[in-house]
Amino acid sequence: DTAVSQTPKYLVTQMGNDKSIKCEQNLGHDTMYWYKQDSKKFLKIMFSYNNKELIINETVPNRFSPKSPDKAHLNLHINSLELGDSAVYFCASSQSRGISSYNEQFFGPGTRLTVL
Amino acid sequence: DQQVKQNSPSLSVQEGRISILNCDYTNSMFDYFLWYKKYPAEGPTFLISISSIKDKNEDGRFTVFLNKSAKHLSLHIVPSQPGDSAVYFCAASGDWAGTALIFGKGTTLSVSS
Repeated sequence: DTAVSQTPKYLVTQMGNDKSIKCEQNLGHDTMYWYKQDSKKFLKIMFSYNNKELIINETVPNRFSPKSPDKAHLNLHINSLELGDSAVYFCASSQSRGISSYNEQFFGPGTRLTVL
Repeated sequence: DQQVKQNSPSLSVQEGRISILNCDYTNSMFDYFLWYKKYPAEGPTFLISISSIKDKNEDGRFTVFLNKSAKHLSLHIVPSQPGDSAVYFCAASGDWAGTALIFGKGTTLSVSS
């Protein structure tokens, strides 16, 4: 009955490879996000989707491509992995509430990506 | 340029005492402020939030205070318990669907028994 789940939890791969991280939420939320926590522990937004529409696309290399097949899923595909991509990636979801979005976001457990 | 700052990387408190975690922000457009708690190898867990139209919000042992003129908020935990030991992140956001949370760097709270 996990609210926001991510797979895999750990991912170790070689430079140059392509990998995907999957995220699913069973909260019925309409908005999903990807955040990156780097080695300095900063949590930074990468993307957000509202009703499957891309809302936020921060300055992220175009090697990163999010895909939202439906409101409950937001996957992250990364091409040509680089050493600097090593980080923990968190998926999150929230429910917009009409005019005023409360923006309480629920996070998944994270995926630790290590690029060798 | 950090828009949300938590200037204390760590805080140690004895069980039963009050823990006060501080957070400053620079962007006056922020409408909501949230506190998250994070254990190692887990995702951040929502703790408590406050709207910019309020100056205080309370939930059990947790109270968040907001001083808009000073662009400062604080989280009070009373009484502190050993299970409260975790990293606490302050976050701020605007008021529209899909807006990102802007996080501080976190404060590690250690509560000793």
